Amino acid sequence: DAGVIQSPRHEVTEMGQEVTLRCKPISGHDYLFWYRQTMMRGLELLIYFNNNVPIDDSGMPEDRFSAKMPNASFSTLKIQPSEPRDSAVYFCASSPLAGVTYEQYFGPGTRLTVT
Amino acid sequence: GQNIDQPTEMTATEGAIVQINCTYQTSGFNGLFWYQQHAGEAPTFLSYNVLDGLEEKGRFSSFLSRSKGYSYLLLKELQMKDSASYLCAVRDRGNYGQNFVFGPGTRLSVLP
Repeated sequence: DAGVIQSPRHEVTEMGQEVTLRCKPISGHDYLFWYRQTMMRGLELLIYFNNNVPIDDSGMPEDRFSAKMPNASFSTLKIQPSEPRDSAVYFCASSPLAGVTYEQYFGPGTRLTVT
Repeated sequence: GQNIDQPTEMTATEGAIVQINCTYQTSGFNGLFWYQQHAGEAPTFLSYNVLDGLEEKGRFSSFLSRSKGYSYLLLKELQMKDSASYLCAVRDRGNYGQNFVFGPGTRLSVLP
C-alpha cells in the first residue's frame, strides 16, 4: 500500500491567494483527518470525516478554511483567502473503522508558506 | 476542554533507558496514543493504551493510569535513531467519538 498521499509537498503563495491541499487516504480506511502543525501551537485537529461525511469541524480556525471529501479516495482542504499566519505543515491522516486501536496513518504533509 | 502536558526536551545516552511522561485532563477519555515524529517527517504510531497498565512492544512500553490522568512512554536500549519528538495524544469521546488532542511533544536527543 502506498500509504496516505498528499500534494503538493510544498506550497509557497502570496497573501490573498487561494490554496488547495489534496489528500488520498489509504484504501479501505473509513476516517480521514486534517491537522495543522506549527511550532507555536503544535499539532491541531482541524476536521475529520467518517465515510466521506464531515463529522467535527470545530477545529477549523475560521470561515476562510473549508474541507471536502467527494469520495472515499480524495479530500481537499482549501484556504481562501490565505494569510501569513496560515503558514504551517498540514497533515492528512486516515484510520480504519475496524480494529482495536483505530491508529492514524499520517501522510507526509504539505508545507505551506504564505508571504 | 482538554489539556495535555509533556516535558519540552529530554536528553539521554545511547544504550540507556528514558521515560517520557504525559499528563492529561479530558472529559470523555477514549484512549491514549504515543506517536514518534522525526524532524521534517510525519508522526508515526508507537503505542495505544485504553485500560490501566503497561503495554510492551519491543524496546518501547507505554503505561496508563486513568485515575491519575497519567501516562508514560519508556524507551529501552536507546539508539541514535530514537532522537525525535514524542507526541502524547488523547482521544476524547466528545460528541462524535474521534476527537484527537495532541500534546506539545517531547524532543528527545540521544547522545553517543
